[in-house]
Amino acid sequence: KNEVEQSPQNLTAQEGEFITINCSYSVGISALHWLQQHPGGGIVSLFMLSSGKKKHGRLIATINIQEKHSSLHITASHPRDSAVYICAVPVRATNKLIFGTGTLLAVQP
Amino acid sequence: NAGVTQTPKFRVLKTGQSMTLLCAQDMNHEYMYWYRQDPGMGLRLIHYSVGEGTTAKGEVPDGYNVSRLKKQNFLLGLESAAPSQTSVYFCASSYPRARNIQYFGAGTRLSVL
Repeated sequence: KNEVEQSPQNLTAQEGEFITINCSYSVGISALHWLQQHPGGGIVSLFMLSSGKKKHGRLIATINIQEKHSSLHITASHPRDSAVYICAVPVRATNKLIFGTGTLLAVQP
Repeated sequence: NAGVTQTPKFRVLKTGQSMTLLCAQDMNHEYMYWYRQDPGMGLRLIHYSVGEGTTAKGEVPDGYNVSRLKKQNFLLGLESAAPSQTSVYFCASSYPRARNIQYFGAGTRLSVL
């Protein structure tokens, strides 16, 4: 069993839909990262959060430390949101990250 | 501000050839990392460095070597490339705290024939 699991693996949505991507982890953490990877492109950090909720534009990330679960929401989705979304958690007391396998999101016009 | 720059962006090698991937960062970060990304798997750590002159093994270090002679550069070497090393390689850097964000390069797509 992977220490970081994401669902769904693939997601297709129509433009304008509300999107939710989930991340569950089995290790104790102090923070969780959400990253975005565009097709053929590099990886960009979206959020780092340790509690509650963070919002950046149409993106919202929430985390429940007790339940070991985080969600990434996209409101009013747009084709430019099409990308792979990756969650990652730090290995306790180290500088290393454990990455989920990613969720491939395709938003159709 | 260039951030993290990887060269080259693409490379095709024959089995047994050697090559070096270069990662350069201009953010004065102490920590640097090399990852590989394969279909259906999360990013896996190859080697990392916590400062100039120091390196350490990650999750999948076999077949790779690294050097950090200057703080801003982290080199990944393949001495004798194998088809199993066909992958996309990412370099990242960060400040020395686990909660700090890692900044990634654009990736190097390597094919070994």
